[in-house]
Amino acid sequence: DIVMTQAPLSVSVTPGESASISCRSSKSLLHSNGITYVYWYLQKPGKSPQLLIYRMSNLASGVPDRFSGSGSETDFTLKISRVEAEDVGIYYCGQLLENPTWTFGGGTKLELK
Amino acid sequence: EVQLVESGGGLVQPGRSLKLSCLASGFTFSNYGMNWIRQAPGKGLEWVASISSSSSYIYYADTVKGRFTISRDNAKNTLYLQMTSLRSEDTALYYCARHPLDYWGQGVMVTVSS
Repeated sequence: DIVMTQAPLSVSVTPGESASISCRSSKSLLHSNGITYVYWYLQKPGKSPQLLIYRMSNLASGVPDRFSGSGSETDFTLKISRVEAEDVGIYYCGQLLENPTWTFGGGTKLELK
Repeated sequence: EVQLVESGGGLVQPGRSLKLSCLASGFTFSNYGMNWIRQAPGKGLEWVASISSSSSYIYYADTVKGRFTISRDNAKNTLYLQMTSLRSEDTALYYCARHPLDYWGQGVMVTVSS
């Protein structure tokens, strides 16, 4: 199974500042079709997860452009520019290389200072 | 608006069975693969099972293989998860989600305890 490892476990950010969350996969997520199958989700307190980024760098519908995704074949970053109060929650990376089976990182909790 | 509404959860004794349902609306259900994802209390996300749009392809996590059965009724816009031989470690909030996990339901709680 592909293992997804996130860092840090938690991050505390001043509103208006930027935050970055890292995710590393145990295997390259670059498919032979040229697509990198990493996804990012935000689970706000008491809510269901919501899709932020799909296929490494594509912004999901309705997601503010303060969110961006980047990376290589095994190392990925979610960046949040100008953090707002509504961004608080737990961020998960997930992989779909072996479609349709998924594995997820352990989560990164974002809090405000 | 895409909506996914789970039901059927509850408290069940170890070894017993339970069937979850997920009613979909706001999109053409028969065009999409569907998934069940679970989250144990205070823990992260765990993929449970997937089913293709026409039920031709079905996949399970090793932790539930042989005990859980995913199915769907496209005429009723409904996804199901039949859970048998339930264990305490199956206690979790169960979400249904449209493939590729772009929309999620609100979740339904399953508690396995004597």
